[in-house]
Amino acid sequence: DAKTTQPTSMDCAEGRAANLPCNHSTISGNEYVYWYRQIHSQGPQYIIHGLKNNETNEMASLIITEDRKSSTLILPHATLRDTAVYYCIVRAHTGGFKTIFGAGTRLFVKA
Amino acid sequence: GAVVSQHPSRVICKSGTSVKIECRSLDFQATTMFWYRQFPKQSLMLMATSNEGSKATYEQGVEKDKFLINHASLTLSTLTVTSAHPEDSSFYICSADAMEGVAFFGQGTRLTVV
Repeated sequence: DAKTTQPTSMDCAEGRAANLPCNHSTISGNEYVYWYRQIHSQGPQYIIHGLKNNETNEMASLIITEDRKSSTLILPHATLRDTAVYYCIVRAHTGGFKTIFGAGTRLFVKA
Repeated sequence: GAVVSQHPSRVICKSGTSVKIECRSLDFQATTMFWYRQFPKQSLMLMATSNEGSKATYEQGVEKDKFLINHASLTLSTLTVTSAHPEDSSFYICSADAMEGVAFFGQGTRLTVV
């Protein structure tokens, strides 16, 4: 699986947009970008995924650069409950492939 | 979204005993499930891949005789920590892929060995 690089931690003010970057310069053509988050003492939660087009759902937006070497997860209006560790993962999109976690970004949303 | 349920959420056991953790996919079938462990302030580490109807495959450094995995049906995988010791105390998490490679995770099991 391609390796990803994320900042160790970030702060965000409540109500503002949180923009979490991820570098994945060795991504293969058939690999998707997935984002998950983990709130303390819980299992990870799926957020969003994409191949090359920008994606949006009820939780977040995913912006993937044209060369696919990096992406940004956007939480449009961060709340205190968004404080978590966010993981960017690249892998094949068919079932049964391993989901390998890096260190992730610890996001602190402050009041 | 798809639901993966893990049981128990917490367990305390005595050193030398065995503990079984269950992972169920509630609304989809999973021929493959994955088991992770997580130590405090660290990321998830993949332990093994559980394959329905066949032997599990273990990541390098994971003792297969210590962490027994059984995947007897398309909706259930179990992890048994045998002869548990305090160093096995950790947070254990399972996952299964639903559509488009999206992984859904159980709630996790906090194992404490005393």
